[in-house]
Amino acid sequence: QSALTQPPSASGSPGQSVTISCTGTSSDVGSYNYVSWYQQRPGKAPKLMIYEVTKRPSGVPDRFSGSKSGNTASLTVSGLQAEDEAVYYCSSYAGSNSLGVFGGGTKLTVL
Amino acid sequence: EVQLVESGGGLVQPGGSLRLSCAASGLTVSSNSMGWVRQIPGKGLEWVSIIYVSGSTYLADSVKGRFTISRHNSKNTLFLQMNSLRLEDTGLFYCARQSPSYHYAVDVWGQGTTVTVSS
Repeated sequence: QSALTQPPSASGSPGQSVTISCTGTSSDVGSYNYVSWYQQRPGKAPKLMIYEVTKRPSGVPDRFSGSKSGNTASLTVSGLQAEDEAVYYCSSYAGSNSLGVFGGGTKLTVL
Repeated sequence: EVQLVESGGGLVQPGGSLRLSCAASGLTVSSNSMGWVRQIPGKGLEWVSIIYVSGSTYLADSVKGRFTISRHNSKNTLFLQMNSLRLEDTGLFYCARQSPSYHYAVDVWGQGTTVTVSS
């Protein structure tokens, strides 16, 4: 199973919005509404930010939102804050006989 | 509080073996889909293996025939037996719970244990 494709980096100034893309195939992102996004700060374990494409777990600010079109999912961070600086990973379910697949990660820098 | 604590990582020579453990508290391992996710230094995440509530297991193609995932119900612990280790197995191994509420998302992560395969 090939990894999902993410841009290696993204950036924005405080208060701005940034969108990170995650491109898969018709076998994963395109076929299932089971895309999740994780935030990983240095030295820490990943943290779930978005699940099932658009949903936020309790405690995640509504500045974080997700969407999907075709084989590409996106994470948008609105009203950027310094604490949002981290690496963001997407992941997708890829069928019952698969482990699922992650993206390579996008380092978000708040300028 | 739900917590996963990994142990068992270390430095091992190519061809060697290690057994990773993941002790769970606040959740029952046998009632959850649990697995191992590897992070290669400076790189991304990769599912290594998962065991479902039913007991069905899946392994990444890169570790089939070498790794085995299992659980000990009374100890509430998840294991990953790693044999015939290769240089490319090096990484930070996270124990993870696949959420029972959020389809196919990981909502609980351990702090990770490092495996270094080197001669």
